[in-house]
Amino acid sequence: QVQLVESGGGLVKPGGSLRLSCAASKFIFGDYYMTWIRQAPGTGLEWVSSISDSGNTIYYADSVKGRFTISRDNAKSSLYLQMNSLRAEDTAVYYCARNHGGGGLCPELWGLGTLVTVSS
Amino acid sequence: SYVLPQPPSVTVAPGQTARITCGGDNIGRESVHWYQQRPGQAPALVIYYDSDRPSGIPERFSGSSSGNTATLTISRVEAGDEADYYCQVWDSNSDHVIFGGGTKLTVL
Repeated sequence: QVQLVESGGGLVKPGGSLRLSCAASKFIFGDYYMTWIRQAPGTGLEWVSSISDSGNTIYYADSVKGRFTISRDNAKSSLYLQMNSLRAEDTAVYYCARNHGGGGLCPELWGLGTLVTVSS
Repeated sequence: SYVLPQPPSVTVAPGQTARITCGGDNIGRESVHWYQQRPGQAPALVIYYDSDRPSGIPERFSGSSSGNTATLTISRVEAGDEADYYCQVWDSNSDHVIFGGGTKLTVL
């Protein structure tokens, strides 16, 4: 069925790097804006980054700008998040989401998430 | 930056109506989306563009937005509706996605 599956999470030391992936299936990946959202333990949702269908337009939350890089490979139906200079406060479940085709950004289809833990 | 205040919690008895609000400066001018997150699960979209329902979402879920308040209304509340609910907008001034802080709905 239509789904998103995240991978690449794990335990990393402060200052380290990690690359998350999101594999899309059963829809035309290249037709949609995509978004990463995270949720720290016991807290609410925090938007991280979004990328246009072509990859030409990218948005970042202030908290990750300059440290994280979003990218996509439409031929592989995959979304990525390169995370550098990781901090303890980046510890969270990271969700990949497909955005609704209408105006603005509305994450309509979510993956199950992958856990990133930043700790020494 | 744009802030979307939500009440931390709402409690309702089964069969009653729950109303969850989302504040914001002139939020009535924005498109508001609502997500349900059951314990241990990923969020799921329940209302988009203020009042539209994705396929598979019961008609008991409805949304409205005007002035400085958007509202998610859940009629005939069931035990399975117990979850955290988040509102969300796209802030075109900052090019940021904004989430409300979330409201925990408890069904007594």
